[in-house]
Amino acid sequence: EVQLLESGGGFVQPGGSLRLSCAASGFTFTTYAMSWVRQAPGKGLEWVSAIRAFDSSTSYADSVKGRFTISRDNFKNTLYLQMNSLRAEDTAVYYCAKDDGDSVYLFDYWGQGSLVTVSS
Amino acid sequence: QSVLTQPPSVSGAPGQRVTMSCTGSSSNIGAGYDVHWYQQLPGTAPKLLIYGNINRPSGVPDRFSGSKSGTSASLAITGLQAEDEADYYCQSYDSSLSAYVFGTGTKVTVL
Repeated sequence: EVQLLESGGGFVQPGGSLRLSCAASGFTFTTYAMSWVRQAPGKGLEWVSAIRAFDSSTSYADSVKGRFTISRDNFKNTLYLQMNSLRAEDTAVYYCAKDDGDSVYLFDYWGQGSLVTVSS
Repeated sequence: QSVLTQPPSVSGAPGQRVTMSCTGSSSNIGAGYDVHWYQQLPGTAPKLLIYGNINRPSGVPDRFSGSKSGTSASLAITGLQAEDEADYYCQSYDSSLSAYVFGTGTKVTVL
């Protein structure tokens, strides 16, 4: 059974940093691209960042480019999102999502989400 | 700002058929990228509902069906049930943005 378990969310002041983790199990982590998708309170889904399995190449939404860094540890089967220079508009539930392949551009499994609140 | 446009809401009585559209452009749906649909029940994570425009994952009832034509896609729910009350999102890939893109979302209400 595929499981994605996010952790690391919480309350942070504007300008601060936070690192999210996503522990993956139930599938061969090294062969699938992974993404972070967020959802602001009462709003729709927004893709944040993705990392490929083949070469760990990364991509980012313009809204987070230069501030967020996605990475993966294939030995620990864990996905990360380092978030720096956080802004109020980054407040959201952050979901870890598994691609159906290596950049098939389809999310077949999602974690339960981790809430990040940026406020003074 | 979402690249894919969906109607904010649709509603229907139990047993009825409802449909919702997902309108994109020549750099995403029109470029041949597949459209996928997700169902998000209140307070829960999204769940894959339709993939590759028309396919249902194992366990998804055949009341749900998808289609794609040109720069748009559609999701239909036949025999609407109370448990279908949720938010629905389409998703594709945009080559101009080099980004995964989601629709604005449609809230389905069962009357």
